[in-house]
Amino acid sequence: DTAVSQTPKYLVTQMGNDKSIKCEQNLGHDTMYWYKQDSKKFLKIMFSYNNKELIINETVPNRFSPKSPDKAHLNLHINSLELGDSAVYFCASSEGGPTYEQYFGPGTRLTVT
Amino acid sequence: AQKVTQAQTEISVVEKEDVTLDCVYETRDTTYYLFWYKQPPSGELVFLIRRNSFDEQNEISGRYSWNFQKSTSSFNFTITASQVVDSAVYFCARGYGNKLVFGAGTILRVKS
Repeated sequence: DTAVSQTPKYLVTQMGNDKSIKCEQNLGHDTMYWYKQDSKKFLKIMFSYNNKELIINETVPNRFSPKSPDKAHLNLHINSLELGDSAVYFCASSEGGPTYEQYFGPGTRLTVT
Repeated sequence: AQKVTQAQTEISVVEKEDVTLDCVYETRDTTYYLFWYKQPPSGELVFLIRRNSFDEQNEISGRYSWNFQKSTSSFNFTITASQVVDSAVYFCARGYGNKLVFGAGTILRVKS
């Protein structure tokens, strides 16, 4: 059983399009996250949700909008995609906040052309 | 400041060598948590260890060991008798406020 799953694994799209990435966790965790990993492998938190409530919004452009329909799901919608959005996006979950280990999904490689 | 520093960008070793990955973090807190994650070439992020600031005992798990030195704000990771399968990017991280802050990662290449 996959603990944290993301779809799609790869996403290739053109500038200006809108796309979504879905994330689901079956660990029963209360907190979910979105991270962006750039081409230099640097990992940066984008958003954090605790039980469907937004906890962290880390100076991410408004074009990025997370949505948590329930505590097991956290989706990421991106409007008007730009070249600079090309990266690997990771979803993660944890029992609580940053005192707990986070479990990551397999990542979604987004390529904007 | 909220910073985790992994000064070694890339390390190359030959199989069976021991290798230590350094991690230094900034903190003004007395209670905090530290983590190591592994990212193999396949891309997923794998949790390795979580350590709280009250427990200064070194931890060993098979060929992996971690040295936590509160006095120098360091949490170093040693792989003993490295193997090719250890080749990966290794990230150190620290919990700050509501978020986890990652170091830039160290690329470890183990050659046969």
